[in-house]
Amino acid sequence: DADVTQTPRNRITKTGKRIMLECSQTKGHDRMYWYRQDPGLGLRLIYYSFDVKDINKGEISDGYSVSRQAQAKFSLSLESAIPNQTALYFCATSDSGSRNTEAFFGQGTRLTVV
Amino acid sequence: AQSVAQPEDQVNVAEGNPLTVKCTYSVSGNPYLFWYVQYPNRGLQFLLKYITGDNLVKGSYGFEAEFNKSQTSFHLKKPSALVSDSALYFCAVRDITGGYNKLIFGAGTRLAVHP
Repeated sequence: DADVTQTPRNRITKTGKRIMLECSQTKGHDRMYWYRQDPGLGLRLIYYSFDVKDINKGEISDGYSVSRQAQAKFSLSLESAIPNQTALYFCATSDSGSRNTEAFFGQGTRLTVV
Repeated sequence: AQSVAQPEDQVNVAEGNPLTVKCTYSVSGNPYLFWYVQYPNRGLQFLLKYITGDNLVKGSYGFEAEFNKSQTSFHLKKPSALVSDSALYFCAVRDITGGYNKLIFGAGTRLAVHP
C-alpha cells in the first residue's frame, strides 16, 4: 500500500551493528505497528503505538526498540543486530474508529544479518 | 489468549475449480476476523473482514469467507480460482487484551493455482 512507506526495502547488515527501519504513513491513522514475518510463523507483533505518547511491547520485543517521532512516523531499531533477526519486517497502520479495525501494511523491509 | 490456526501449509487447486483456504479461531467474546493476501515481494493486502451480521462476507477479487460460530471457523473461498490468485494467505483475529486493539495472525497458507 503506497500510503504506508517503509525504508529501506532491503538491507544487509553485520552482526553487532545498529540499524533503524523507518515507516511513514499518509493515511492519517493514529495507530502504528511493527511486525516481523518468518516462514511458517506468520506475522508476529514486535511493538505497537496508539498515539505519539503511547508505546507498547508486542509478543517478541526483545532486541528491538521503537520511536514514534510523529503521528505519521514510527521507527524500529535493532541496537545490536544478530542473525536470528533476519526476517521480513512490516509496518502497519489502523484507525481508531470503531468499525475501521483492519490494518494497512507497507511493502516490507527485507533485513539480512550476516 | 486469542489465536487463529491455518491447518494447511499449502493448498493446490486447478484453475477454474473452487478453492477453500481454512482458518479456525479461538477467542473470548465476539470475534473480529480478517483475511489478508500477500503477493510475492509485496506487503499484505486486506481482503475482507467479519465483525457482525451475515455469516457470508464478500471481499476483494471475488473472494468470500464464511463465518461459522459453532465450528469456530472462518474459511476463505472463491468459486473459480485464477492462476493470479496464487499467493500467501493469512487469517487474523482482533485481540483487545489490555484494552489495546491489535491483530494476531495465523502462520499463513500458500495457495498454488495451476493452469
